[in-house]
Amino acid sequence: DVKVTQSSRYLVKRTGEKVFLECVQDMDHENMFWYRQDPGLGLRLIYFSYDVKMKEKGDIPEGYSVSREKKERFSLILESASTNQTSMYLCASSLYRGPGNQPQHFGDGTRLSIL
Amino acid sequence: KQEVTQIPAALSVPEGENLVLNCSFTDSAIYNLQWFRQDPGKGLTSLLLIQSSQREQTSGRLNASLDKSSGRSTLYIAASQPGDSATYLCAVRPWEYGNKLVFGAGTILRVKS
Repeated sequence: DVKVTQSSRYLVKRTGEKVFLECVQDMDHENMFWYRQDPGLGLRLIYFSYDVKMKEKGDIPEGYSVSREKKERFSLILESASTNQTSMYLCASSLYRGPGNQPQHFGDGTRLSIL
Repeated sequence: KQEVTQIPAALSVPEGENLVLNCSFTDSAIYNLQWFRQDPGKGLTSLLLIQSSQREQTSGRLNASLDKSSGRSTLYIAASQPGDSATYLCAVRPWEYGNKLVFGAGTILRVKS
């Protein structure tokens, strides 16, 4: 079974802090994704990566950056946390870069509160 | 721009009933469609993936169909159980966006014992 592990289930930070959310997958997947999920807005893609050191912006990249130094690990960085970044953050991974038909597998999520 | 709609937004049924969840999408140019389950406060669990060339997929009591030309998919749950209570999300992978998924808002299902 694919295992996508997010480092924290719950996190509370203060406005202006630099926040790191970590995600690790154990299936040698090329693709990794960061989403946020908000009531009424559904899941929205922040960033994704299709290889080490490669990244592409999703639909809502503003205020975020990412890092992928190793294939199994994808980090989401809130450069200067703000209250409107309070949300549930979900990491996912999938096999292959090209137009294939591989499912995305998700972690359990990190519920982040910015005070 | 691809949009995904799920109807109904919420559904409450007695245990044992067969039920259908609906998903529609605006652009038929997709690689696949995926159904997920999400329990409260948790991540998403992949249930079924239907490739664009397929009409349906089955797993246990779940059956998902895809009609790409009409932009519709249904998730059929047979003999529902209280443990099926969760939010069900569908997502399409459009040609236009490569690896990205476009999600619907979900259907909240409650199965009463």
